[in-house]
Parts: sequence; C-alpha cells; structure tokens
Amino acid sequence: GQQLNQSPQSMFIQEGEDVSMNCTSSSIFNTWLWYKQDPGEGPVLLIALYKAGELTSNGRLTAQFGITRKDSFLNISASIPSDVGIYFCAGLDNAGNMLTFGGGTRLMVKP
Amino acid sequence: GAGVSQSPSNKVTEKGKDVELRCDPISGHTALYWYRQSLGQGLEFLIYFQGNSAPDKSGLPSDRFSAERTGGSVSTLTIQRTQQEDSAVYLCASSSGTGGETQYFGPGTRLLVL
Repeated sequence: GQQLNQSPQSMFIQEGEDVSMNCTSSSIFNTWLWYKQDPGEGPVLLIALYKAGELTSNGRLTAQFGITRKDSFLNISASIPSDVGIYFCAGLDNAGNMLTFGGGTRLMVKP
Repeated sequence: GAGVSQSPSNKVTEKGKDVELRCDPISGHTALYWYRQSLGQGLEFLIYFQGNSAPDKSGLPSDRFSAERTGGSVSTLTIQRTQQEDSAVYLCASSSGTGGETQYFGPGTRLLVL
C-alpha cells in the first residue's frame, strides 16, 4: 500500500531557529496536507497543497508540493515555544477520500 | 456543534471487556473517518463512512473491531474482547464529503487496556 516517509522523526532546537521537515512517498498524491498535533488533542490542519510545485505560506510556515507529486516539505521560521508538537504530513488519494499519514516529526523548542 | 466531539475522552478497561467509543461529527459533514494512533506513532486508518454508502472497512485490524453510523451522523466504534495491544488514541475526523476537502479531527479517546 501507499506509504509516507517523514523525516526527521524528532528535532530539538533553540527558540528562534528555523526548522525544516519533509515527506516522501512511493506513489503520487493529488493533495498534500500538513497537520500539527498538540499533546492531548487531535491533529489540526496547517497548510493544504493542491498543485505540483505549489509553494504556500501561512505566517511563519511555508510548505511546498514537490513537482513529482511524491514529496513535500514544511519549513517553520523563527521557532517559538508554542511550535512544540508533532507535525504530520498526509497525502490525499486520487478519489479525494482517503488520507495516508506520515509517521510524524516531534518538535521540541528550547526557550 | 462547532467541531468534532468524541467521548469518552479517556477509557480504562480490563482485557477481554468490550468498549464503545463515540464520535459526533461536524453538523452537515457526510464523511466520517476513524483512525488509531499508538503512542508516538502516526495515524492508522480504520474505517470510512460516506453518506449512505457501504463503509470502507479495509483498515480494521481484526473482526473484534466494528463501527456503525446511525442516521448519517453519530458514529460508534466498538472493540470486542479488548486486548492490551488495543491501547491507543482513537481519533475521529469528518469532512464535507464532496471530495478533496479537509478532514477535521476530534480530540480523540485515549483507551488503556489493562
């Protein structure tokens, strides 16, 4: 079946540093999504990408949909303590119904 | 309601007992999904309901797991004869069901099987 490989699995950074994480897939997705999960909560959508090559920003977050439609990255600039959490990439299948999730990147920010 | 709600938020049960987990999707959303998240892991798809169509059960790990959705709204996930490996967070999500749209997640039910 489809699988998403997300890296790194965890990051421990200093407040103010930039962060980059990425996902790769063995197959093509038509939509890539990035979610953040805070402790004890469900995932919340951060950014959605719909077109190959698309670069989208949301405040300090920037994400790109790879031109091959098999990869995506998420950058966080000038990290702050509230950025702590688990970030998941997810690919939406061609029918637009099923999400496949990456394993997550656990981000820890040192004040 | 404003978002997806789930109950209970936490459930502790003994091995061999049955449990029921409830999900109330966002009003008007026709698509509903159940996922399982083991400690420190990603989300594992379990089952998908879309309107009145037959559910996609391809992610259910065993016949001890079942789910239903009554009246096209509330859904219940049932785990029979629970095992310790069933311990996880069970997340529900809903979407408008028109295809290609965002799934909105509930806070999850944390299940611990002793």
